Amino acid sequence: EADIYQTPRYLVIGTGKKITLECSQTMGHDKMYWYQQDPGMELHLIHYSYGVNSTEKGDLSSESTVSRIRTEHFPLTLESARPSHTSQYLCASSSLGGTEAFFGQGTRLTVV
Amino acid sequence: GENVEQHPSTLSVQEGDSAVIKCTYSDSASNYFPWYKQELGKRPQLIIDIRSNVGEKKDQRIAVTLNKTAKHFSLHITETQPEDSAVYFCAAGWGNQFYFGTGTSLTVIP
Repeated sequence: EADIYQTPRYLVIGTGKKITLECSQTMGHDKMYWYQQDPGMELHLIHYSYGVNSTEKGDLSSESTVSRIRTEHFPLTLESARPSHTSQYLCASSSLGGTEAFFGQGTRLTVV
Repeated sequence: GENVEQHPSTLSVQEGDSAVIKCTYSDSASNYFPWYKQELGKRPQLIIDIRSNVGEKKDQRIAVTLNKTAKHFSLHITETQPEDSAVYFCAAGWGNQFYFGTGTSLTVIP
């Protein structure tokens, strides 16, 4: 079934650790996004990509990096996690010609 | 970039009543206005959208209206049911680039 998958769903790590949040989609979409969702709801765009080898920063300043080596894969990496990175991270994708964004289940990250 | 404001942040209604959520946007170039529903612990999902060449769109109990001159758009839910309880996000943008509002937590009281 075509979908967008995020792993892990939940993660608790210590300060200073390097982590990678995985996002894969089997929908054949070109565009992919990463959003950070505050505990209070608001969605902030932190990275997006139009396709392979394309990555752009979103509106929210983020210390994370992304890569897009394959169309279906858009991992997000934090080189050195801090408690301020504690949040939910949502990955999404859409077709270049379309408009609806499809979201993954999210990764809830806690940095202690 | 686009700035989308959404009100109210929380909304409680009695089952069967109507609920209205309002959004304003800043960029006159925006031509696409989707609404997403996020149930507790679940992912956001598109429930309805409208383009700038249309003033109103309806799908069963939900409807969206758009006033391009005033740069505001609204979501209307009629005959609310407990399963409508969720966080609702509006968004505005063009092409594949859109910006979300801050969300409205809707509670439908049985």
